[in-house]
Amino acid sequence: EAGVTQFPSHSVIEKGQTVTLRCDPISGHDNLYWYRRVMGKEIKFLLHFVKESKQDESGMPNNRFLAERTGGTYSTLKVQPAELEDSGVYFCASSPKAGDTEAFFGQGTRLTVV
Amino acid sequence: KQEVTQIPAALSVPEGENLVLNCSFTDSAIYNLQWFRQDPGKGLTSLLLIQSSQREQTSGRLNASLDKSSGRSTLYIAASQPGDSATYLCAVVNQGGKLIFGQGTELSVKP
Repeated sequence: EAGVTQFPSHSVIEKGQTVTLRCDPISGHDNLYWYRRVMGKEIKFLLHFVKESKQDESGMPNNRFLAERTGGTYSTLKVQPAELEDSGVYFCASSPKAGDTEAFFGQGTRLTVV
Repeated sequence: KQEVTQIPAALSVPEGENLVLNCSFTDSAIYNLQWFRQDPGKGLTSLLLIQSSQREQTSGRLNASLDKSSGRSTLYIAASQPGDSATYLCAVVNQGGKLIFGQGTELSVKP
């Protein structure tokens, strides 16, 4: 069974550009989460999808971040325009049943904004 | 606001030692608690999920305990090996599955 996969693994972009990160959850997992770790800080929650619906987006830092999960399968996280403070590692996780079951994480996307 | 703290931030031990990693949280109203390990440049690997009604969970050489009332969890690693070297992360889980992480403990097991 394939795990959670994320693309790309690394991205280096200039300030002001747009970047789109992709996450493919484990097949059949309705719950999909985005997290990020910025330098020196703990991993922090961004948002939670249940199928294609946003269940909780309380962690989204500002309106430069847009997450979608069309069709309830893979998800994208777009940052537009990127700022220097957006640099960090973005993780995606999925689980079959929110809270009751383990969350499985992808390898992460390391984003560097220069 | 829930805060999760892990002590120590880093730990270096000789191979074969038993060790304990600590995790504390400020709000005891948690749903579950999950322990992860992260190898450098890699994603998070789930180690154990402890349901709020449980007091401990075991997997191989790992044993995690949970004391909700005191806001503590410990991860016990028996007979440590160099392959156990990684960062260990504790996260409290709310009912929606949202994880709140500690900063992690960086473990180094010397051969």
